[in-house]
Amino acid sequence: RKEVEQDPGPFNVPEGATVAFNCTYSNSASQSFFWYRQDCRKEPKLLMSVYSSGNEDGRFTAQLNRASQYISLLIRDSKLSDSATYLCVVQNYGQNFVFGPGTRLSVLP
Amino acid sequence: DVKVTQSSRYLVKRTGEKVFLECVQDMDHENMFWYRQDPGLGLRLIYFSYDVKMKEKGDIPEGYSVSREKKERFSLILESASTNQTSMYLCAGRQGNNSPLHFGNGTRLTVT
Repeated sequence: RKEVEQDPGPFNVPEGATVAFNCTYSNSASQSFFWYRQDCRKEPKLLMSVYSSGNEDGRFTAQLNRASQYISLLIRDSKLSDSATYLCVVQNYGQNFVFGPGTRLSVLP
Repeated sequence: DVKVTQSSRYLVKRTGEKVFLECVQDMDHENMFWYRQDPGLGLRLIYFSYDVKMKEKGDIPEGYSVSREKKERFSLILESASTNQTSMYLCAGRQGNNSPLHFGNGTRLTVT
């Protein structure tokens, strides 16, 4: 079993739709959690950190469930520009970051 | 935010060449990382450094070395490039514990 798992997709959704991604992690001692977005042939860019209480940034909402060891990302009112690959990233001890394989999202006009 | 700059976007090198990939961060922070990203394999850590002249092996250090002579600069060295080192190389910096990674814009290396 991989340490961080994501549904690779692709998720094809119409503009304006709400879409949710889940990510599961296997290390119960994981300390910090992040969502990144990566456009084709570009570097990953931080979308948001994920806090235990859940957090929101505009149309994006992230949730963490430590008991079930999963993280979610909800995107409301999808835009064409949201089309990208979304990477779930978990930090374990020290400098150990583990990247999920990514979920591809295509927002269609 | 940490700003991370990689010197080259695209590089083409021949098998057996020595290759230097340069990365500079503009904040006085200790932690820097080199990853490679390949289709189907995701991001894999090659080396990281938590201070000047300090380095630690990541998951796939074979065929690579690094240099951290100054805090702001972290270089990745391919001693003798091989075709299986054709990849996207990503440098990242980090402000402190529990903070996220910030990536440079990547170097796409092709070894022929």
